[in-house]
Parts: sequence; structure tokens; C-alpha cells
Amino acid sequence: DAGVIQSPRHEVTEMGQEVTLRCKPISGHDYLFWYRQTMMRGLELLIYFNNNVPIDDSGMPEDRFSAKMPNASFSTLKIQPSEPRDSAVYFCASSLGGVAFFGQGTRLTVV
Amino acid sequence: GIQVEQSPPDLILQEGANSTLRCNFSDSVNNLQWFHQNPWGQLINLFYIPSGTKQNGRLSATTVATERYSLLYISSSQTTDSGVYFCAVGGWSSGTYKYIFGTGTRLKVLA
Repeated sequence: DAGVIQSPRHEVTEMGQEVTLRCKPISGHDYLFWYRQTMMRGLELLIYFNNNVPIDDSGMPEDRFSAKMPNASFSTLKIQPSEPRDSAVYFCASSLGGVAFFGQGTRLTVV
Repeated sequence: GIQVEQSPPDLILQEGANSTLRCNFSDSVNNLQWFHQNPWGQLINLFYIPSGTKQNGRLSATTVATERYSLLYISSSQTTDSGVYFCAVGGWSSGTYKYIFGTGTRLKVLA
């Protein structure tokens, strides 16, 4: 398996624009996680899914953020509208049996 | 909620030295993993170790769940060990299963 695949790797967008981050988990994994990493706040869990169902979205910062998992092989994290404070590295991870594997992340810059 | 503390926050070693990194957590957990974030930002799973001891080459880890701590041992350190080491735990908090990352230990190994 190629591991967790995220796209794009880098995204630069203007404030107010919609941003969509994509993730393909490892085949067969039943959990999917979205994390955000910043210098100030470290690694924060935004939301996680179990068998495509959102379980805990208490980490989603505000209504501008939304995540979906329409099937077992794809998830999206959307920010609309984006703001400069959303600039961060966004990681997707998937797990089976408690062992998580991370994608390479998407570096988002909002100007 | 569950609190995760790692120590030391920063560590500088000469190549060949040994080190011990510590992770303390505030509540009962049934999932604990150690990750290495390399200088390129990639998060690599080192150990899944909710209890007991595991070894993988020069690295080993021990978790004493009843005393709420885990230790990561690095022996004969190499410059490629540089990066940030994170402890991540999973456990129940207020009726929801939570995943929490510690703030990390930043390790620099000098040649």
C-alpha cells in the first residue's frame, strides 16, 4: 500500500477563498483522523471518523471548517471562507487496531 | 480532559549517546503511541504501546499504564534521530473517546 495520501502538498490561497484538502486512507483502515499543526498550538485533533461516520468533531475550530467521508477511501476537509489564522500544516491519518499512520501533510498558507 | 506532558522539551546529544524521553498522562488510557517527526515534517509511527515493553533496533519503549507514564529509550544515537518525538494517547473523557498529542521533545544529535 502507498500509505496515506494527501493532496495538495502545498496550497496558497487568498483570504476569503474556499479551500479543500483531500485524503486517501490506507485500504482496510477503519479510522480516519484530521489534525492541524502550528507552532503555537502543536498537533490538534480536528475530527475523526470510524467506518466513515464522524465520531468526535469537538476540535473543529468553528463553522468555517467542515469534513466529510463519503466512502472508505476518501475524505475531505473544507475551509470556507479561509482566514490567515488558518495557515498551518494539516495532516490526515488512518488507523487499524489502534496503530495510526500519517500522510505527508498539506501546508496551507492563507494570505 | 486528558493531559499529556512530555519531558524534556529539548535535548541535545553527541552522536553515540543514550537518552530517555518521558511521557506522563493524567487519566487512564488504552492507546499510546510514540511518533518521530523528522526535519522534513513527516510523522513516523515508532511504537504502539498501551502497556508493556517493546524494542525495535536501537529504540525501545516501556509503558506503565497503572502509573500513567511511558518512556522512550534511544541508544547509540545517530544524527538521523534528530527531530521531534511525540507521545499520543487515546482514552475516554466525558463520554467521548479522545486522542491527545503531547507537546513533544525536540532532539538534536550532533556529529
